[in-house]
Amino acid sequence: DQQVKQNSPSLSVQEGRISILNCDYTNSMFDYFLWYKKYPAEGPTFLISISSIKDKNEDGRFTVFLNKSAKHLSLHIVPSQPGDSAVYFCAASGGSNYKLTFGKGTLLTVNP
Amino acid sequence: GAVVSQHPSWVICKSGTSVKIECRSLDFQATTMFWYRQFPKQSLMLMATSNEGSKATYEQGVEKDKFLINHASLTLSTLTVTSAHPEDSSFYICSARGRSMEGYGYTFGSGTRLTVV
Repeated sequence: DQQVKQNSPSLSVQEGRISILNCDYTNSMFDYFLWYKKYPAEGPTFLISISSIKDKNEDGRFTVFLNKSAKHLSLHIVPSQPGDSAVYFCAASGGSNYKLTFGKGTLLTVNP
Repeated sequence: GAVVSQHPSWVICKSGTSVKIECRSLDFQATTMFWYRQFPKQSLMLMATSNEGSKATYEQGVEKDKFLINHASLTLSTLTVTSAHPEDSSFYICSARGRSMEGYGYTFGSGTRLTVV
C-alpha cells in the first residue's frame, strides 16, 4: 500500500522554465513533508520541507506547496537548470519517531 | 555540515555468504540510524531503525535474523546481510540523525550497491 505516491515517473522541461513535481499521500497522520534529490548511486540530499501548519515554503528557486484537504503537495523549481536533472523523492512523516515514507520518485530532465 | 560515510559503495558476493555494510557519522553523534533498501525504479523502503546502544526496530516483513543491525557506538552502525541470495541484490542506504539536529535533520550515506551472484 503506497502511502506516498508520485504518479509521474519522469518529467522533461526546458532550461529556464518551471518544473512542477507532484506528490499525493493517503495517510492523514502525516504532518511533515520533505523533498529529496538523488543522483544515481548516491544517497538522497535534502532539498526543502514543509510542515502541515503551512501551505507554502520557499527557498531560493525551490518552492513547496501543500494542499492538506487534497492530500497533495508539489515542488516548483524556477528557473530550471540542467544541473537540476536528477530523481526527486517526496517523503512524509507523522508522529515523533521521525520515520520517513518515500514515494517512488520522479526523474526530472532539464534540457539545455 | 553533517556527513555520513557509507562503505563499501558496491560489493559483489557469492550466494550464501554474508556481507557487512558500515555507516559512520563523521562530524556528529548519530543517536538514530535508519537503514533503507531501494529496488530499481522503486522508492526507498525503510528496513529498520536503530538507536545507539539498543536493539534495532525492524519494519514489518523485514527478517531481523537475515539483516543484522548493530549500532554499538554513536558514530557507527552496521548492516550485515547474512546468507545472501540473489533476491537480496539491491541498493542499501543508511541515514543518520544526531542529537543536535532539529526535527527531521537527516543525513544520508552515499549507498551500497549489493549484487549477489
